[in-house]
Amino acid sequence: AQSVTQPDIHITVSEGASLELRCNYSYGATPYLFWYVQSPGQGLQLLLKYFSGDTLVQGIKGFEAEFKRSQSSFNLRKPSVHWSDAAEYFCAVGKGGGADGLTFGKGTHLIIQP
Amino acid sequence: GAVVSQHPSRVICKSGTSVKIECRSLDFQATTMFWYRQFPKQSLMLMATSNEGSKATYEQGVEKDKFLINHASLTLSTLTVTSAHPEDSSFYICSASGGQPYNEQFFGPGTRLTVL
Repeated sequence: AQSVTQPDIHITVSEGASLELRCNYSYGATPYLFWYVQSPGQGLQLLLKYFSGDTLVQGIKGFEAEFKRSQSSFNLRKPSVHWSDAAEYFCAVGKGGGADGLTFGKGTHLIIQP
Repeated sequence: GAVVSQHPSRVICKSGTSVKIECRSLDFQATTMFWYRQFPKQSLMLMATSNEGSKATYEQGVEKDKFLINHASLTLSTLTVTSAHPEDSSFYICSASGGQPYNEQFFGPGTRLTVL
């Protein structure tokens, strides 16, 4: 069975500083990997996804993530965070296609300091 | 992007009653819908997968007689929590997949259920 680990429950970053959120997964085959952001009162929004090809994936809102098979990681990065980036971030893995549900990590709560 | 709505956004009910939550895909046809449950400050846990016109597939540990799922059309799935108890209080989130390339899931805003 697949699993996702987000080791950081909370992360505090100063506005304008760079950000990296960690995600490690466990899956026997090539995974479908996702990062979602959840803001209070809103549904999950997809930031980016990796299915195959280039291991550096660009997403919305200036986010990017790098798939490293050797480390079973899919870390999310942003060069300069904005106060509006404060939210809950979830990494997820899927078996492939839209016919299968996703397995989510526990989430990382991002706090932005002025 | 595609829009998924849920209704109601919040519901409070008495213990022993049943509650129905609707999930609609507003601008696409959802061949597959998923129901997740999220406990406070925790992750989303997949409860079940439903395909239009078929019986839902439940994850291990999810009681199918308690959480009734109906996916009668390509735009609507419902989750009914039967004989709800306080331990069923949670945030229920649906997602829908419409068969696009790589079948991205689009998530609804969630329904907060509180059972008194």
